[in-house]
Amino acid sequence: EIVMTQSPATLSVSPGGRATLSCRASQTVDISLVWYQQKPGQAPRVLIHAASTRATGIPARFSGRGSGTEFTLTINSLQSEDSAVYFCQQYKSWPTFGQGTKVQI
Amino acid sequence: HLVESGGGLVQPGGSVRLSCAASGFTFSNDDMHWVRQVRGKGLEWVAVVAANGYIHYGDFAKGRFTVSREDDKNAFVLQMNSLTVDDTAVYFCARGVGRTSLFDPWGQGAPVTVSS
Repeated sequence: EIVMTQSPATLSVSPGGRATLSCRASQTVDISLVWYQQKPGQAPRVLIHAASTRATGIPARFSGRGSGTEFTLTINSLQSEDSAVYFCQQYKSWPTFGQGTKVQI
Repeated sequence: HLVESGGGLVQPGGSVRLSCAASGFTFSNDDMHWVRQVRGKGLEWVAVVAANGYIHYGDFAKGRFTVSREDDKNAFVLQMNSLTVDDTAVYFCARGVGRTSLFDPWGQGAPVTVSS
C-alpha cells in the first residue's frame, strides 16, 4: 500500500494570501496524483489531476506541481470560499488518500 | 451525477445495503467505486466493480462486503454484513475516470451508523 502523507494538518491564511500544501508518497506514483477539495457536508471535488492539470472550471489560482513522491498544491489570492479540507490521492495503484489539510481563511 | 440511497442506523453484527444510481451518463463502460469517510477523518477506499466485471476490495472489506452492478438500472450496490462500530462512516460512490482510480463525480454520500 502506498502511504500518502500531507502537511501541514491545518493552515491559517489571510484573505488574498497564498497557501502551499504538501503531499508525499511512500513510493513513486509518477504523476498519478489528484487533489480534491471538500467542504463540510459535501463530497470531494476534483481540483487538480495528473499532478498539475486543473479540472474543468477550476480557477487558475489553484495550481499543482510535482512528480514521483513529492507534490504541492498552491492556492493564490485566497478567498473565503476556499476554506475547506484538501486531500491528495494517488491512483498509480489501489487508491490511497492523504489525511487532509484544513485551510482556514 | 450519482445518488446514493440506503444506510442509516444498524446494530453491530447487522447488515446494510447501499445503492448508487447514475443519472446523466451510462456507467456500463465505467469502473465504479465505493469510498468511505469516518466522521471528521480522512477518506478510505472500499471497493471497485469494474466495467468488465472485475471486483476488488480493500482489506477491511474482504469477506464482509459485496459489490455488484445492476447495469439495466444504471446502478450498483454495496452490501455490508457483520458490521462493527468501526464501519460507522459516510459512504460515497464514485466513478473511476478512464479506467483509473481518479474519482469524478462523487455521490453526495450515505451515512451509516453502527451502534447498539
